[in-house]
Amino acid sequence: DQQVKQNSPSLSVQEGRISILNCDYTNSMFDYFLWYKKYPAEGPTFLISISSIKDKNEDGRFTVFLNKSAKHLSLHIVPSQPGDSAVYFCAASDPGGSNYKLTFGKGTLLTVNP
Amino acid sequence: GAGVSQSPRYKVAKRGQDVALRCDPISGHVSLFWYQQALGQGPEFLTYFQNEAQLDKSGLPSDRFFAERPEGSVSTLKIQRTQQEDSAVYLCASSLNLHLGSGKNNEQFFGPGTRLTVL
Repeated sequence: DQQVKQNSPSLSVQEGRISILNCDYTNSMFDYFLWYKKYPAEGPTFLISISSIKDKNEDGRFTVFLNKSAKHLSLHIVPSQPGDSAVYFCAASDPGGSNYKLTFGKGTLLTVNP
Repeated sequence: GAGVSQSPRYKVAKRGQDVALRCDPISGHVSLFWYQQALGQGPEFLTYFQNEAQLDKSGLPSDRFFAERPEGSVSTLKIQRTQQEDSAVYLCASSLNLHLGSGKNNEQFFGPGTRLTVL
């Protein structure tokens, strides 16, 4: 039973446009969420995070939105660049037990076309 | 080095062989994690160390999997009598502090992984 779901295996956008990657979760105890980016043959790289006490966190071109009632978060990349092409993983942690333990989604492959 | 390193990067083993995968975390990082990433899946938690103490091994799939971090720095993940279902990328991550929190310094930094193929 997947607790973190990324229902879109892939997404293709044009350079300069907005990329929106979505993530849903089922465990209401999750209260810290992260996005990681992964290039081929490399490990995941931390991108941005958000605590459940917030509904938005912004870092440069990257913004994460959290909708707790819908158990949904999204990552917005504006403007998208070809170098953003990678697999993006959504992850969550449960502070009630052990908040170091990350639960990952399956990832979404983003392709930004020049 | 500046990041987490893992060796070997690729390992091919015959079914039944034992393998050992090494992780060098970022210097000074207290916490170290091992994850298993099967093809088409996200990373799945295997085990966690705080310094040399293995505090959580709940994700290890069987008693054929064993991890150690004897001096609180380098860690080794050992898989005995490998099976085909063990084929995956094994990722190591380290973090400065125990718990996740705001700010990049508290996040988990991943190595490039070791791709294990069991024939």
